[in-house]
Amino acid sequence: SQQGEEDPQALSIQEGENATMNCSYKTSINNLQWYRQNSGRGLVHLILIRSNEREKHSGRLRVTLDTSKKSSSLLITASRAADTASYFCATRGSNYKLTFGKGTLLTVNP
Amino acid sequence: GAGVSQSPSNKVTEKGKDVELRCDPISGHTALYWYRQSLGQGLEFLIYFQGNSAPDKSGLPSDRFSAERTGGSVSTLTIQRTQQEDSAVYLCASSQGLAGGGNEQYFGPGTRLTVT
Repeated sequence: SQQGEEDPQALSIQEGENATMNCSYKTSINNLQWYRQNSGRGLVHLILIRSNEREKHSGRLRVTLDTSKKSSSLLITASRAADTASYFCATRGSNYKLTFGKGTLLTVNP
Repeated sequence: GAGVSQSPSNKVTEKGKDVELRCDPISGHTALYWYRQSLGQGLEFLIYFQGNSAPDKSGLPSDRFSAERTGGSVSTLTIQRTQQEDSAVYLCASSQGLAGGGNEQYFGPGTRLTVT
């Protein structure tokens, strides 16, 4: 079963706008990671946030983690058409496995 | 340097036939994962190799699925007597250590399997 659930399933915005995607999970985690996937092929690791962290930045990406609500958000600022992709959150519990959600399809219109 | 490579990129097979999917991880990466992604879905964990340890096969959906990793490098995922529900993109990933322990997973481009 899926651990992470992304919300919304699809998001369409204009270039320059910010995009926010959310991820909820069910069990306790060691860390949470966000990945990006273009055209249904390989995934690219974007950012990792540990369970004792609340916020992390990387370029135009900002990730927050609220362990009390078992949720995370990914914010992409000043979006570009090239940001169009599917975004997945993945959680790691007490073992080594990553469990992925079903993803958010982001479309950035030029 | 070279990333994770997978072959073939696309495979169309008839129901009931066996298929082999190959993954070449990044050199030196000790951990190797196989995932399956059905259309519009997230990634489903299949199997995990770490060094010389016994693989974790807990994600394999049936005994028609098997995988091996020779010499700690190349891995082959074999699906016997393929069924239409096996149609999916099969993704391989490798990492320097235990993925999820802060070690980034590097994904290959995947093999799109279509069972007709």
